[in-house]
Amino acid sequence: GEDVEQSLFLSVREGDSSVINCTYTDSSSTYLYWYKQEPGAGLQLLTYIFSNMDMKQDQRLTVLLNKKDKHLSLRIADTQTGDSAIYFCAESPFYGNNRLAFGKGNQVVVIP
Amino acid sequence: DAGVTQSPTHLIKTRGQHVTLRCSPISGHKSVSWYQQVLGQGPQFIFQYYEKEERGRGNFPDRFSARQFPNYSSELNVNALLLGDSALYLCASSLVGSISGANVLTFGAGSRLTVL
Repeated sequence: GEDVEQSLFLSVREGDSSVINCTYTDSSSTYLYWYKQEPGAGLQLLTYIFSNMDMKQDQRLTVLLNKKDKHLSLRIADTQTGDSAIYFCAESPFYGNNRLAFGKGNQVVVIP
Repeated sequence: DAGVTQSPTHLIKTRGQHVTLRCSPISGHKSVSWYQQVLGQGPQFIFQYYEKEERGRGNFPDRFSARQFPNYSSELNVNALLLGDSALYLCASSLVGSISGANVLTFGAGSRLTVL
């Protein structure tokens, strides 16, 4: 079954890098996602990685995937105050299906 | 272009009542999914609809139902409301419902339901 775990809180200074971690249990997951949620808003897709990749870089975002350990991380370079939000990782355990399994989220607070 | 729009944005109901939440997908998107997000938790999948047919259902009781209309908009209905149904209900649309690719969902801002 699906079970996505995330740590809860991260405080980081503006300009530093922040790293958010996530573990998942379903080895059949085909895609893994990172979403951002700002207060009072819906979820914004940041990036995703296909399960046959181990790294993906998109501007300030770097996603690392360790399939052996079922570990996913998101690194945000040069963290800005606008990056303060809750970050969710999610997996697609069902191929071609919109059923995403989300973690509990990791709140990132950027200190100016 | 308008994104995914949901209504109402906030509503308060009492236990035992019924609620209907509405969602309009991005133009051209034929798949709509519903998620429940309880405070402090990640979203939980409720339903997916594609071309007016149910394509997936999460672990929710039969009090929860949904439908999709010919214009691809969708309604989520919850009967006999319980206190535990208080949550943010998110609608997401995507271009296709079942292809060999990433499920890129665009979420609306949600409908916040409070059950007293």
